[in-house]
Parts: sequence; C-alpha cells; structure tokens
Amino acid sequence: TQTVSQSDAHVTVFEGDSVELRCNYSYGGSIYLSWYIQHHGRGLQFLLKYYSGNPVVQGVNGFKAEFSKSDSSFHLRKASVHWSDSAVYFCAVKNSAGNKLTFGIGTRVLVRP
Amino acid sequence: GPKVLQIPSHQIIDMGQMVTLNCDPVSNHLYFYWYKQILGQQMEFLVNFYNGKVMEKSKLFKDQFSVERPDGSYFTLKIQPTALEDSAVYFCASSRTGAGTEVFFGKGTRLTVV
Repeated sequence: TQTVSQSDAHVTVFEGDSVELRCNYSYGGSIYLSWYIQHHGRGLQFLLKYYSGNPVVQGVNGFKAEFSKSDSSFHLRKASVHWSDSAVYFCAVKNSAGNKLTFGIGTRVLVRP
Repeated sequence: GPKVLQIPSHQIIDMGQMVTLNCDPVSNHLYFYWYKQILGQQMEFLVNFYNGKVMEKSKLFKDQFSVERPDGSYFTLKIQPTALEDSAVYFCASSRTGAGTEVFFGKGTRLTVV
C-alpha cells in the first residue's frame, strides 16, 4: 500500500520569496511521483513527475522537485513565487505495478503581495 | 495540450434519483479514472478502468456506483440511487499507459444532491 504525507496544510509567503512544499511517501518498490496544482474552483493541473533518471525534475512555471530515495521524499520548490502561484498543491504517488494515484491532503499556498 | 472534458460542469439532483457524469478522455488514452473531492479537500480515488473492465476500486465506490465506456465513447460514472453524501466534485482522468505516464484530469463535475 502506498501512502503520501504532506506535512504542511498551509503555507504563506510573500511574492518573490522562495517556497518549499514537502512530500513524503511510503512504498517499497518502484514508484511514480508527481505534483499537481489546483487553483480555486478548478481542476488539477500537472506540474511535474519523477519515475526514473535524474532525481531533480523541472516542471512548468519555474517549479522543480527533487526525489530522494533515502528520505522517501519528493519536495517541490520554486525560487521566486508569483501571486498566481496561490493554489492548493497536491503530491501524488503511484506504484509501478498499479494504476491508482494516491494523493496527499494538499498544501494550500497563499502568496501575499 | 491534451484535454479531458467533463460534462456537465454542475449538476443538481434530488436524492434517490439517478445521475450520470460524462467524461471525454484524451483520444489515445487507454486508462480511465474517477476521483471524488469534497469541499476542496483531499482527492479520493474511486475507480480505474481499462480494456472495458474495472481494474481497481476503493471503498468509496459503493454498490450504487457503476462505470462504463460503451463503444469507445464517453467514460461515464453512474450513481443510482444518489444519496446526500454523494455531493462532491467528481474528477475524471485518463492516461496513455498505466505506470510512469502523466495522468490528465478534467475540470470536474460539481454534483449537489438535495
């Protein structure tokens, strides 16, 4: 069984600040990790994914994430946030044998001007 | 980019009635999913579907729920009969293969059972 933990329910930053959203997972085998963004009242938009290869993956709009097998983590980072980055961010995990994405509870990011 | 379309965007229905939520997945995708989200909270997996069959379903996928994709048309979620606790936003998703590929989500259908 795979599980996903997002330790921060809410994060508030100022425009131009950097942000790191934490995601930890538990699963013993090969794993597929991804991040999605959900703006208020909208659907999920894909940001980035990791399955194999370079543990640092670049996504859209300046987001990147780093996979760490030793820490069982896949934290999302952005160097300089914009007000439009205010949204809920979901980390998701899928094991390579299955076809079910398991989501974390989400981290709500508020970017203040 | 590829889009998953969901029809309708909103649906209000009387408790006990039947409702069908429609999803038009990305055209060359083979795997289909339904997720449920209550009040902007956690996305909960309901079911996945491949080659005309349900592959996996969660405890949230009650006996009143069913899915199908007749003749490669819409991928549908039917709830019959509906209950008040079925009120939520239902998201459809699709992917080209199972493992390691991006899953594309629709914008969701907000279902309100009154």
